[in-house]
Amino acid sequence: DAKTTQPPSMDCAEGRAANLPCNHSTISGNEYVYWYRQIHSQGPQYIIHGLKNNETNEMASLIITEDRKSSTLILPHATLRDTAVYYCIVRRADNNDMRFGAGTRLTVKP
Amino acid sequence: GAVVSQHPSWVICKSGTSVKIECRSLDFQATTMFWYRQFPKQSLMLMATSNEGSKATYEQGVEKDKFLINHASLTLSTLTVTSAHPEDSSFYICSAYYRDRGLNEQFFGPGTRLTVL
Repeated sequence: DAKTTQPPSMDCAEGRAANLPCNHSTISGNEYVYWYRQIHSQGPQYIIHGLKNNETNEMASLIITEDRKSSTLILPHATLRDTAVYYCIVRRADNNDMRFGAGTRLTVKP
Repeated sequence: GAVVSQHPSWVICKSGTSVKIECRSLDFQATTMFWYRQFPKQSLMLMATSNEGSKATYEQGVEKDKFLINHASLTLSTLTVTSAHPEDSSFYICSAYYRDRGLNEQFFGPGTRLTVL
C-alpha cells in the first residue's frame, strides 16, 4: 500500500474549520484514501474514505486532488471533542488490513 | 455503525503470567479480525491477522508463540499474551472486518491496556 505523509501536529480554534492535509504521491489507481481518528486511550474511529471524488458525511468532508496525490480532511466546525490524532491511510480495496502512520495530532483550542 | 467490544478494558498482571484479551463483534459476523499494539505516543502497529477457523497470520517480528491468537467463532477472537513481561505493557486494540451491501470497512474496539509488573 502507498505511504502517506502528514504534519505531526496542528492547532485549530474552536468553531473554525480544521483542514488536515495528507500526501500520498505514490498512490495507485485502485487505492482508496481512508481517514480515521483516535481520541486519547480509545480505539480508532472511522471518519470517511474516498477513491477520487470528493466525499462528505455527517462528520467531515474529504477533498482529493485531481491527480490523487494528496487529500484534505475538513472538519467544518471543530469542537474541543475533535482533539485527537488523525490518521490518513491509503489502502487497496482488496487488502483487508489497515496500516497506520504517525498521523496528525489536532488540538482544538477554545 | 458496527460495534466491536474488547474485554477487559484494562488489566494488571505479574511478570510471568498469561493474559487473555477478548475481541467481539457485537452485531455482525467477522471472518477476519486484526490485532494491533500501541506504545505510548506511538502509532498503532499491526501484530497479526486473525481468520476464523484457521491459523493467524503474524507480522514480521511478532512472536507467534508469545502472542497466541484464536478465532474460534465468527464473533470472537482472543489474544493471549503468554509469560508476560514488563516490555509487553501496551495498549492492545482489535478490529473486525465488516462487509455488507457495498460497505467494506474495519471497525475498531476500544482497546485493552495491559500493565505487567
